[in-house]
Amino acid sequence: KNEVEQSPQNLTAQEGEFITINCSYSVGISALHWLQQHPGGGIVSLFMLSSGKKKHGRLIATINIQEKHSSLHITASHPRDSAVYICAVTNYGGSQGNLIFGKGTKLSVKP
Amino acid sequence: DAGVIQSPRHEVTEMGQEVTLRCKPISGHNSLFWYRQTMMRGLELLIYFNNNVPIDDSGMPEDRFSAKMPNASFSTLKIQPSEPRDSAVYFCASSLEFSGGRISTDTQYFGPGTRLTVL
Repeated sequence: KNEVEQSPQNLTAQEGEFITINCSYSVGISALHWLQQHPGGGIVSLFMLSSGKKKHGRLIATINIQEKHSSLHITASHPRDSAVYICAVTNYGGSQGNLIFGKGTKLSVKP
Repeated sequence: DAGVIQSPRHEVTEMGQEVTLRCKPISGHNSLFWYRQTMMRGLELLIYFNNNVPIDDSGMPEDRFSAKMPNASFSTLKIQPSEPRDSAVYFCASSLEFSGGRISTDTQYFGPGTRLTVL
């Protein structure tokens, strides 16, 4: 079982829809990251959070430490949001002192 | 700031050849990471430096891979000899770490990646 699981793997939405991408993890963490990988391959860090909620424009990320779960929400989705969204955790105290990645969620927003 | 700079952006080589990938982190950052991304395995951490010292290289696949960071502004990832299964996109990222060199909890900034194809 992967230490970081994302769902869904693929998501197709119509422009304007509210989108939720989920991430569950099984290890102790010090932080959780949401990354966006554009169709051209570039990776951008969207959020880093260890508790509560963060908002940036139309993007909202939440985390529930007790349930080991995080969600990324996109409001009023737009075709330019089409990308792969990757959840990653910083494994606290593990031998790998850094990011463990989920497999990613491929989002396609249709006009 | 120019961001994390990687070179080359694309590399095509033949099996058995030596490949060197280069990375310039963001000025002032003290942590540097090398990642590999393939369709099959997704993103994987290869090695992580803090203050130019390798901290965790448990992700380095085998002895054919080596990484160095001779100073705070430059790192290399070398594959010798290269094999077709090394074909992947290699990302470098940097961050500013406040936790005394143990675990990075700050945002990592990724370079554009180097797409390596080994024929």
